[in-house]
Amino acid sequence: EVQLVESGGGLVRPGGSLRLSCAASGFTFANAWMTWVRQGPGKGLEWVGRIKIKAHGETIDYATPVKGRFTISRDDSNNALYLQMFSLKTEDTAVYFCVAGLGFSAEDYWGQGTLVTVSS
Amino acid sequence: DIVMTQTPLSSPVTLGQPASISCRSSQSLVSGDGNTYLSWFHQRPGQPPRLLIYQISNRFPGVPDRFSGSGAGTDFTLKISRVEAEDVGVYYCMQGSQSPQTFGQGTKVEIK
Repeated sequence: EVQLVESGGGLVRPGGSLRLSCAASGFTFANAWMTWVRQGPGKGLEWVGRIKIKAHGETIDYATPVKGRFTISRDDSNNALYLQMFSLKTEDTAVYFCVAGLGFSAEDYWGQGTLVTVSS
Repeated sequence: DIVMTQTPLSSPVTLGQPASISCRSSQSLVSGDGNTYLSWFHQRPGQPPRLLIYQISNRFPGVPDRFSGSGAGTDFTLKISRVEAEDVGVYYCMQGSQSPQTFGQGTKVEIK
């Protein structure tokens, strides 16, 4: 069974930093494109960024609002995905979902999400 | 960025009746490889989204066949042939043909 478990969310002040993790199991992590998607309180879904597999150059793309502030990385040996967030803004407040693409699409399976609150 | 526009934003439906959601993109979603990366997701309250349809019309494993997707270019449709109680929630289209990927605003489906 595919499982994606996010952790690392919490309350952080504007300008602060936070690192989210996603522990993956139930599939060959090294073969999966991995994506972060977020959802602000009462809002729709917003794509944050994606990292491809090693065979595809581990190419990383970011959404415009987070480019230069967020960094996505992966550790295939530990089946883990990370989202390092710097210079956080109040508008970054959201539930952050870890999403795995296993070949059907880039967004086949979703974790339950972790809440990040940016507030003073 | 490609803008995805869904209509309607709210859809009250009767159990057992069909429902339809439209999604329009600001530019063609035909990718350089010839594929069209248009997906549909369903999110129930308090739950993460789940994939229903990928590449316009392919149902994800386990998705009931009452869900179907169609369209081409810039215009796409999700249809539910007979709405069941478990189908309530918000439906999102998403394009993956051009980075950054973008979602529609969401369509809330509720039972009349």
